[in-house]
This record gives sequence, structure tokens and C-alpha cells, in this order.
Amino acid sequence: KNEVEQSPQNLTAQEGEFITINCSYSVGISALHWLQQHPGGGIVSLFMLSSGKKKHGRLIATINIQEKHSSLHITASHPRDSAVYICADGGSQGNLIFGKGTKLSVKP
Amino acid sequence: DVKVTQSSRYLVKRTGEKVFLECVQDMDHENMFWYRQDPGLGLRLIYFSYDVKMKEKGDIPEGYSVSREKKERFSLILESASTNQTSMYLCASRADGVNEQYFGPGTRLTVT
Repeated sequence: KNEVEQSPQNLTAQEGEFITINCSYSVGISALHWLQQHPGGGIVSLFMLSSGKKKHGRLIATINIQEKHSSLHITASHPRDSAVYICADGGSQGNLIFGKGTKLSVKP
Repeated sequence: DVKVTQSSRYLVKRTGEKVFLECVQDMDHENMFWYRQDPGLGLRLIYFSYDVKMKEKGDIPEGYSVSREKKERFSLILESASTNQTSMYLCASRADGVNEQYFGPGTRLTVT
């Protein structure tokens, strides 16, 4: 059974800090997803990657297929980055297998 | 833009009531999903549907049923609500052949 583990569960940072959230999965994947959930509930997709690295603004996602590990980095963090970040494995039948999420709080 | 809407943002029901949660997507996606999200447990799949009138159980289907009579609409039914069904419920949709799922805003259900 594929499991997706995230660390840390909770993270508090000062504005401007570089942030890393880690994700490990146990089975080979089709695609690894990073999602963001703001207070209020709505979930948006940040990245979908199966190899290498992707960048969007201050967000960078990397994946190491051999080590079954992915990281989400936030450079120059800002209070508006405060959210829950969730990684998910693409799984079979297109169903997502989710990590439990990392709650990030960025203090001004 | 893909839009997934859910019938209510907040809902309060009494134990034993029948509860309907509705989800509508406007992008002609074949696949639709219902999840519940609880602190410390993350998102868990309740049911999904890959076509009209088709449904498959997810990881935690007990106490729930679903209905998909039209392609754009996927309903989650709690036949007799219980307090342990108090949770955030999220709907999502996905096109065939594409990995990305699009989520609705969520319904926070409280059963008292």
C-alpha cells in the first residue's frame, strides 16, 4: 500500500525565511502533486511533477525518483504564504493518495 | 477556468437526519470524487465516480452513499447522520487522461 509521509506537520517561520517542506512516498508514482489549502478550505494545485524541478514565482518543487522524495521550497516567505501544504501521489486510476499536510504559519 | 461548486459552505444537522451534499462541475469532467478531511488524518477518499451512474468505494465509504445521475453533478448522501461524520467535505473532479484534480470550496458539516 502506498503511503505518503510529510514533514514537518507544523512549521512557524519569520517573514523572509527560506522554507522547506518534505514529502516521501513508498511506491513508484505517476505524478507527485503539491497542493495549497488556505483557511476556509479551498484547495488549489501548485505543482504536478514526475521528475526534476519546477518553479513558479517564489515556489520551487523538486523530486528525486530514486529516493522517492519530494520537497517544496518557498523563498522569501511572506505572511500570505500561511496555509496548509499537502503532497499527494497520483496513484492508480488517477486517485490521489494524500499526505496529512504541513501547516505553515509565517509571522510578520 | 474549471469551476467546482458545492451546495453549502456550512451545514448543521441533527443526529439521524438524512443529509445531501451536492457538487457540480462545469468542465465536462468524467471523474468526480468525494473526500472528507479531518485534523491529523488529512484527506480521505469516500467515493468516486468515473462515469454517469457509475460509482466506486474509496477508503472510508461506510455510512455514506453517492448518486451520479448527470455528468456534471455528484451527490454525497448521509443516510442517517452521526456525530462522527462531523467533518470538512471536499468534492473534486478530473478529466480522463489527466492527473490534476480540481477541488470545490468544501462544506463544513456539523452533526449535533
